[in-house]
Amino acid sequence: GQQVMQIPQYQHVQEGEDFTTYCNSSTTLSNIQWYKQRPGGHPVFLIQLVKSGEVKKQKRLTFQFGEAKKNSSLHITATQTTDVGTYFCAGRRESGGSNYKLTFGKGTLLTVNP
Amino acid sequence: NAGVTQTPKFQVLKTGQSMTLQCAQDMNHEYMSWYRQDPGMGLRLIHYSVGAGITDQGEVPNGYNVSRSTTEDFPLRLLSAAPSQTSVYFCASTRDRVTYEQYFGPGTRLTVT
Repeated sequence: GQQVMQIPQYQHVQEGEDFTTYCNSSTTLSNIQWYKQRPGGHPVFLIQLVKSGEVKKQKRLTFQFGEAKKNSSLHITATQTTDVGTYFCAGRRESGGSNYKLTFGKGTLLTVNP
Repeated sequence: NAGVTQTPKFQVLKTGQSMTLQCAQDMNHEYMSWYRQDPGMGLRLIHYSVGAGITDQGEVPNGYNVSRSTTEDFPLRLLSAAPSQTSVYFCASTRDRVTYEQYFGPGTRLTVT
C-alpha cells in the first residue's frame, strides 16, 4: 500500500533557528496536505499543495511540492516558541483508490528552546 | 458553529467490553472519517464515509464498526475492546470537494485494561 515517510522524527532547536521537515511518498501523489498538532491538541490544517514544483508561503512557513509529486517539505524560518508541535504531511494517491483517503506521515515533533 | 465534537473525552474499558465513540459535526460536511493516533505511528485511518448511508474501510478497520445514518453523526463502535485498541481517536470531517481540508475533533483518549 501507499507509504508516506517523514523525517526527522524529532527536532529540537533554539528559538530563532530554522527548521525543516521532509516528506517522501512511495507513490506519485495528486496532492499533499500539511497539518500541525500542538501538544495535547488535535491536528489543524495548514495548507494543501497540488501542482508539481509548487511553493507556497505562510508568513515564516514555506511549503514545497517536488517536481515528481512524490516529496514535499515544510521550512520554518526563525522559529518561535509558538511553533512547538508535531507537523504531519498527508498525501493522496494520484491514481487508484478513493479520492478522499489521505495517508499520513508519522510526523515530526518540533521543540523550541527559548 | 461547534465544528466537530467528540464524546467522551476520556474512557477506560476492560477487555471485552463494548462502547461507542460519538462524533458529530454541524458544518453539513459530506465526508467524515475516524483515525487513531498511537505514539510514533502518526494518524491511521480506521473507517470513513462519503455521505449518509455510505461507509468504507480504511487502513486499520479490524475491531471497529461504523454507520452513517445522518449527515451530522458518525459513531465508531468497539464491539469487544482489546488492549491493542488503547489509543487516541480523532474524528474528522471535510467540507470542500476541491481542497479536502479536514477538520478534526478534539479526540477521545481510550484506555483498555
